[in-house]
Amino acid sequence: ETGVTQSPTHLIKTRGQQVTLRCSSQSGHNTVSWYQQALGQGPQFIFQYYREEENGRGNFPPRFSGLQFPNYSSELNVNALELDDSALYLCAFLTSGLNEQFFGPGTRLTVL
Amino acid sequence: AQSVTQPDIHITVSEGASLELRCNYSYGATPYLFWYVQSPGQGLQLLLKYFSGDTLVQGIKGFEAEFKRSQSSFNLRKPSVHWSDAAEYFCAVGARRDDKIIFGKGTRLHILP
Repeated sequence: ETGVTQSPTHLIKTRGQQVTLRCSSQSGHNTVSWYQQALGQGPQFIFQYYREEENGRGNFPPRFSGLQFPNYSSELNVNALELDDSALYLCAFLTSGLNEQFFGPGTRLTVL
Repeated sequence: AQSVTQPDIHITVSEGASLELRCNYSYGATPYLFWYVQSPGQGLQLLLKYFSGDTLVQGIKGFEAEFKRSQSSFNLRKPSVHWSDAAEYFCAVGARRDDKIIFGKGTRLHILP
């Protein structure tokens, strides 16, 4: 149990739609990262937020955007959904003391 | 550029047998190395990590890994596997402790009774 929660658990959307995924932590960790895990692949880094500012981005287009709130919870927004966006989306909070990222259970997004 | 290679997509071992999962990385400086485990429908759980110091690191659930700089490897081992170890295992590398993590494609471990 990592204390990281993600919602919703599963989501089905159609091409062209927009989606918002949410992530929160029981503890007040101020750094959160988002990853996309396609079927049969390892997770790929989307971006990281630190104190409500984007702090690094992977090779993802601008239609992938995020927010971090003052309570350190976070959102991942994806616009103009494509079939290839179907994946498990994971968020992870970094504990500065332990230098460890705690992952949530993920949101399974299916784009039809 | 950083990259991680896990050459074995699937590995099958008998319960009670020893296990070694291979991982090779590509990175210019000293990397931060991780092994994660993912059970079906679950998120990622950290098994162990290497930042510096002793090259043999101990993790949870009886796992250990050895960092070999000369071979750019960070192989995961367990002396005796249990049926509950069946899962997907990911090796990963980072440039700094708080940096993004680059994951390998994973090795799926199957356990024979």
